[in-house]
Amino acid sequence: KQEVTQIPAALSVPEGENLVLNCSFTDSAIYNLQWFRQDPGKGLTSLLLIQSSQREQTSGRLNASLDKSSGRSTLYIAASQPGDSATYLCAVRISGYSTLTFGKGTMLLVSP
Amino acid sequence: SQTIHQWPATLVQPVGSPLSLECTVEGTSNPNLYWYRQAAGRGLQLLFYSVGIGQISSEVPQNLSASRPQDRQFILSSKKLLLSDSGFYLCAWSGGLAGGGQFFGPGTRLTVL
Repeated sequence: KQEVTQIPAALSVPEGENLVLNCSFTDSAIYNLQWFRQDPGKGLTSLLLIQSSQREQTSGRLNASLDKSSGRSTLYIAASQPGDSATYLCAVRISGYSTLTFGKGTMLLVSP
Repeated sequence: SQTIHQWPATLVQPVGSPLSLECTVEGTSNPNLYWYRQAAGRGLQLLFYSVGIGQISSEVPQNLSASRPQDRQFILSSKKLLLSDSGFYLCAWSGGLAGGGQFFGPGTRLTVL
């Protein structure tokens, strides 16, 4: 059974710092991996989708990497801003027709 | 572009009352549809998913049910709510093509008193 772990559970940084959020999964035979952002009381916003054949995806100040063999993905946020404060979740799909398995998220607080 | 709607946004219901939450998707056809529940400290739990009209798969045994009466409509129901049904309910869709991501609606906050 696929399990997804996110470390740390919570992170507090001052504005301007570069930071890395970690996601690990137990079964390396994934189809793709997706990073989401969730603001309090809101739905999930998709940030980046990485297919199993890809090593990384970039969108603005966000960069996500994928290392299938080690069962890890990282989300890199450059020059963090208070508006980045949210919970970040990663999720993996193990086949093209399977559902997602989610981690419990990392709660990020960026202080001005 | 595709959009996903959920209503109501918030709901307060007494124990034992019925429930109906609705989710609709615009801008796509034949989507896969999903219902999740998010309870405090427990992460996202997949409740139901559907690959087509009338086709429902249940992930967790409970007093909830789901239906898909139309291609882009997904309904979550209960005949009698329990206190433990309180939570944040999220609907999501993904394309029929393999390799796509999932995209979520704004959610419904349900409080059962």
